[in-house]
Amino acid sequence: QSVLTQPPSVSGSPGQRVTISCTGSHSNFGANYDVHWYQQLPGTAPKLLIYNDVNRPSGVPARFSGSRSGTSASLAISGLQAEDEADYYCQSYDINLGRVFGAGTKVTVL
Amino acid sequence: QLQLQESGPGNVKSSETLSLTCTVSGGSLSSGTYYWGWIRQSPGKGLEWIGNIFYSGSTTFNPSLKSRVTMSVDTSKNQFSLKLSSVTAADTAVYYCARQGLGVLNFFDYWGQGTPVTVSS
Repeated sequence: QSVLTQPPSVSGSPGQRVTISCTGSHSNFGANYDVHWYQQLPGTAPKLLIYNDVNRPSGVPARFSGSRSGTSASLAISGLQAEDEADYYCQSYDINLGRVFGAGTKVTVL
Repeated sequence: QLQLQESGPGNVKSSETLSLTCTVSGGSLSSGTYYWGWIRQSPGKGLEWIGNIFYSGSTTFNPSLKSRVTMSVDTSKNQFSLKLSSVTAADTAVYYCARQGLGVLNFFDYWGQGTPVTVSS
């Protein structure tokens, strides 16, 4: 069981907005550690998507956005596209466990 | 452009030691501004952080694996390595090496392509 809790799956039609939640605790987000998000396309290595809660690396489309409040964080995908179908992972630092990942959320484009 | 490449045996026998190496190109492992880490992904599962090493050799490990993990760095070859002892089928996974920033920049920004390791009896 992951320290960071994500829904197993979310889905949406092209053009829709979907959000993925990542719920932590007092020992990670509650201790003011940031959240980072990764996208993993089938058969490939994870790719950094959002870092330090809200920042997008160069080349990541603006339709991806992140936020964090209290012990929860979320990733939003606006204007969902077929190419966004992938697994998404949140990651943070936990004062007891070190670097931790969520279990991942599969995004399906209907 | 920084690149990381994992290498090592794809098959390891149960109870033996898994050994992998990550070769860094396009940048220096000894820049002193990054950690170098290992992450694994069991078949159909999520990501699990194994541990990090600094160019000085300082290490931090996942508490659940700490008793079985050793990491080392060879700055002359721009490589860092992972050893996982007493492996079982539960250690079958794709193993990734990655670069991680320091302090609040503790995200993994560059990843290797991953190398699959199967533990068999």
